[in-house]
Amino acid sequence: NAGVTQTPKFRVLKTGQSMTLLCAQDMNHEYMYWYRQDPGMGLRLIHYSVGEGTTAKGEVPDGYNVSRLKKQNFLLGLESAAPSQTSVYFCASKVVSGEQYFGPGTRLTVT
Amino acid sequence: AQSVSQHNHHVILSEAASLELGCNYSYGGTVNLFWYVQYPGQHLQLLLKYFSGDPLVKGIKGFEAEFIKSKFSFNLRKPSVQWSDTAEYFCAVNAYSTGGFKTIFGAGTRLFVKA
Repeated sequence: NAGVTQTPKFRVLKTGQSMTLLCAQDMNHEYMYWYRQDPGMGLRLIHYSVGEGTTAKGEVPDGYNVSRLKKQNFLLGLESAAPSQTSVYFCASKVVSGEQYFGPGTRLTVT
Repeated sequence: AQSVSQHNHHVILSEAASLELGCNYSYGGTVNLFWYVQYPGQHLQLLLKYFSGDPLVKGIKGFEAEFIKSKFSFNLRKPSVQWSDTAEYFCAVNAYSTGGFKTIFGAGTRLFVKA
């Protein structure tokens, strides 16, 4: 039982490049989330999903897209990376009303 | 709009001092309440949670929190902190909203414990 895993752990992109972050959970959770964490700003919700095939915008969705084709996976895409997207990205999953389980994070730098 | 406020952004304590971190939320309905901890360089982990019942809940590593419904508060406490408690602490509220259950996090409180 691996919990929530994220790949990659680190990535450096040039402005304008694209990439996809993968989140996988093996707990059969319905809800999945993508957050970004920046110094002094806590966690900000980018997008979330309440079930397979569904996605919704969070607090800071601009510049990101997501897909939840399989229940266990939640992908976060950056189509054209910008320096403002330099951050640490956390994925989380949970049962409907329970606590969230977080992945180890992806540290992304956009130059 | 629903919100979660953590009163202190930074707290510095000496070892063995007592800790209380404030958390207030704005939501009138039924809520589930959480405190998460993030140790340096790591991801968030659950410290404790409140769903119902005894409003004083105990978590891991000697932490506890008290839910006071009339004050919309869920303050975190520890009688005697250790250097290893240096971390960032996040309060979170889970409540039902349009579209399903929504979790809102506070901005976090950075705790530094001096050895």
